[in-house]
Amino acid sequence: AQSVSQHNHHVILSEAASLELGCNYSYGGTVNLFWYVQYPGQHLQLLLKYFSGDPLVKGIKGFEAEFIKSKFSFNLRKPSVQWSDTAEYFCAVSGGSYIPTFGRGTSLIVHP
Amino acid sequence: NAGVTQTPKFRVLKTGQSMTLLCAQDMNHEYMYWYRQDPGMGLRLIHYSVGEGTTAKGEVPDGYNVSRLKKQNFLLGLESAAPSQTSVYFCASSSAGGPGTGELFFGEGSRLTVL
Repeated sequence: AQSVSQHNHHVILSEAASLELGCNYSYGGTVNLFWYVQYPGQHLQLLLKYFSGDPLVKGIKGFEAEFIKSKFSFNLRKPSVQWSDTAEYFCAVSGGSYIPTFGRGTSLIVHP
Repeated sequence: NAGVTQTPKFRVLKTGQSMTLLCAQDMNHEYMYWYRQDPGMGLRLIHYSVGEGTTAKGEVPDGYNVSRLKKQNFLLGLESAAPSQTSVYFCASSSAGGPGTGELFFGEGSRLTVL
């Protein structure tokens, strides 16, 4: 069975600070990896995804993530956060069944 | 471009009442899902469907039933609501196989309160 662990449950940053959110997964085979974002009061939307190829994936709004197969990790990064990045971030993995499993989420608050 | 539409968006029930949440998608997706979102718990899969006429249990199926009579619709039913089912429910859909597999498209959520 696949599982996802997000290390940071709550992160508080000031604007212009750098961000890195940890995500580790467990699954023995080929995986598809995702980061979703949920802005306050809204539904989840895709931030970025990795299916194959270049392990460094760039998404919307300046976010990027790096797939490190040897570490079973898919950490999310942004060099300089903005107040508008305040949201909840979810890592997800889908393996052979294509049914995604989500992590518990990380709540990010960015102070102006 | 509607995508995934959920109705109703808000509902208050009394313990023991029944209700049905409707999810409709216009992207011709094979897979559909129902998740519940609770603080600190992330998204937990209730039931899912890999095609018309098929359903399967997810991580937290107890107290819920589902039906997928038409490819574009996925219904979530609560036969006898309990306060523990107070939550925000999200429907999602995805394509099956090929590029985009596993990428979910979400509805806007349905907030259910059971008193």
